Amino acid sequence: QKEVEQNSGPLSVPEGAIASLNCTYSDRVSQSFFWYRQYSGKSPELIMSIYSNGDKEDGRFTAQLNKASQYVSLLIRDSQPSDSATYLCAVRAGSGGYQKVTFGTGTKLQVIP
Amino acid sequence: EPEVTQTPSHQVTQMGQEVILRCVPISNHLYFYWYRQILGQKVEFLVSFYNNEISEKSEIFDDQFSVERPDGSNFTLKIRSTKLEDSAMYFCASSLGRGDSTEAFFGQGTRLTVV
Repeated sequence: QKEVEQNSGPLSVPEGAIASLNCTYSDRVSQSFFWYRQYSGKSPELIMSIYSNGDKEDGRFTAQLNKASQYVSLLIRDSQPSDSATYLCAVRAGSGGYQKVTFGTGTKLQVIP
Repeated sequence: EPEVTQTPSHQVTQMGQEVILRCVPISNHLYFYWYRQILGQKVEFLVSFYNNEISEKSEIFDDQFSVERPDGSNFTLKIRSTKLEDSAMYFCASSLGRGDSTEAFFGQGTRLTVV
């Protein structure tokens, strides 16, 4: 069973702080990694993708991947109340677009004004 | 900005009835997916579809489920005889699927309630 594990939270951070969200995965052949944001009652919204080891930055978001440790993380700098949502880590086993993406249960982030 | 659209947004059906959930993927995307999310639980993969055939399906996607691309734009999920446990949010997604462009973009979902 291929698993994607996340701490369910809630993770509470004050406004302006850095939020750090973590994810581990069990399938060593995983190739593609995604972070989605999901507001309550809404659909997952893609915010970051990362495919190779290291860091990838996009605005206030930085994704970090360590394939040797089977670990992927998301940093949100200057957290805003509007960032309060559930963050889903998602993993695809291979490079083919047809292959399914496996989601973690999500980490609920609360940004306190 | 292109987006995946789903209809209806909410569907209520009686147990044992057939339902069809509809999706219009992003126009140049090649791969299409259905996922579901039972309230309070994680997003679960149902099926992926490419080149007019199923490319992968999960154990959830049993004989009660089917998918179809009836024309060049629509992608449908049919549940033949709904059960109470089919109540969930159903998400359609699509991806371009070439090279590194494997990101899947989700529609707004259809909330299915089986009574």
